[in-house]
Amino acid sequence: NAGVTQTPKFQVLKTGQSMTLQCAQDMNHNSMYWYRQDPGMGLRLIYYSASEGTTDKGEVPNGYNVSRLNKREFSLRLESAAPSQTSVYFCASSRGTGKTYEQYFGPGTRLTVT
Amino acid sequence: ELKVEQNPLFLSMQEGKNYTIYCNYSTTSDRLYWYRQDPGKSLESLFVLLSNGAVKQEGRLMASLDTKARLSTLHITAAVHDLSATYFCAVDPYTGNQFYFGTGTSLTVIP
Repeated sequence: NAGVTQTPKFQVLKTGQSMTLQCAQDMNHNSMYWYRQDPGMGLRLIYYSASEGTTDKGEVPNGYNVSRLNKREFSLRLESAAPSQTSVYFCASSRGTGKTYEQYFGPGTRLTVT
Repeated sequence: ELKVEQNPLFLSMQEGKNYTIYCNYSTTSDRLYWYRQDPGKSLESLFVLLSNGAVKQEGRLMASLDTKARLSTLHITAAVHDLSATYFCAVDPYTGNQFYFGTGTSLTVIP
């Protein structure tokens, strides 16, 4: 039981390049989330998927797109990377939303945009 | 705009001492979560508080929730070096489907 896995662990991009961050969970969770973590800012929600087939914007969605590929997988895409997107990205999952379910986090992807 | 404020942001304490981290939030909620993050690592769930007056304890850490005051506390008893980490609180408001995280408290326990 791996929990929540993310790939890649590290990535360096040049401004304007695109990339997709992958996330998968094996806990049969319904809901999945993408956060970014910046120094002094805590974690901020980018997008979430309450259930398979649905996605919604979070607090900071600009510059990102997501795909809920199936129940297990939720990917985050940067179409044209900018230095402001340098951050640590965490994927999380939970049994559901709007209920009393804690979120479980993946190991993170450290992205640098030059 | 929902705000979750933690204080202090940085805490350096000696082993064996007690201290409390505070988490204030600006919305009505009775769902509050505490997480721990070690440097360069992911977040690990510590406590889930789901009602007014809830108290949870694990080892040297105890968390409580006062929904009327919109305040949660994380109390550290007789700190040890292994507790050095960053601690986050997160609020799950009644409306919407997202957690709101505090900025974190970076704790360093000095031998």
